Amino acid sequence: KNEVEQSPQNLTAQEGEFITINCSYSVGISALHWLQQHPGGGIVSLFMLSSGKKKHGRLIATINIQEKHSSLHITASHPRDSAVYICAVQTGNQFYFGTGTSLTVIP
Amino acid sequence: KAGVTQTPRYLIKTRGQQVTLSCSPISGHRSVSWYQQTPGQGLQFLFEYFSETQRNKGNFPGRFSGRQFSNSRSEMNVSTLELGDSALYLCASSVGGGWMSETQYFGPGTRLLVL
Repeated sequence: KNEVEQSPQNLTAQEGEFITINCSYSVGISALHWLQQHPGGGIVSLFMLSSGKKKHGRLIATINIQEKHSSLHITASHPRDSAVYICAVQTGNQFYFGTGTSLTVIP
Repeated sequence: KAGVTQTPRYLIKTRGQQVTLSCSPISGHRSVSWYQQTPGQGLQFLFEYFSETQRNKGNFPGRFSGRQFSNSRSEMNVSTLELGDSALYLCASSVGGGWMSETQYFGPGTRLLVL
């Protein structure tokens, strides 16, 4: 049983396309993180959300606590956005991670 | 400010050995957490330290342990290595509020191969 489910697992897009990655979770949480991992392993924290919506450049993250669902959107995608995107949640003293969405943006 | 650093970056060990990995947080950060990442299991939380005390612990066997020093640097140790311990080990630091209250800054990871 996975507490955090992401979809799709893999995504290929043409440069410029609008991209959506989804994250659903089954546990009660107070906040959710979106992480970006580039080839080689380095992880960058993109967003921390507890409600509503956040925007940073071409990235937008939304969360619906009642529906236990979050989405990460990338507008005007670029090849440098190619990475694995992971959502993570904490409930109590436990942390749960999605298995990641591997995004490839083709020029 | 320098980022989170982890040493060594790569390590090869044999089954039964033990290994110690080091993580130096960003200056001023007092919280350090550790994660294991494998192709099969993805990212998994190991433990979190704050002010030299373990604040949270994931579901890993007792062979996995850690500690934090007064300068906030942290080490994790894996004893009696098994093949399945081959993974990328990542640490992250934050000022002190923990995962759900502030941004985490990740190190580049230590890639451990157990033969």
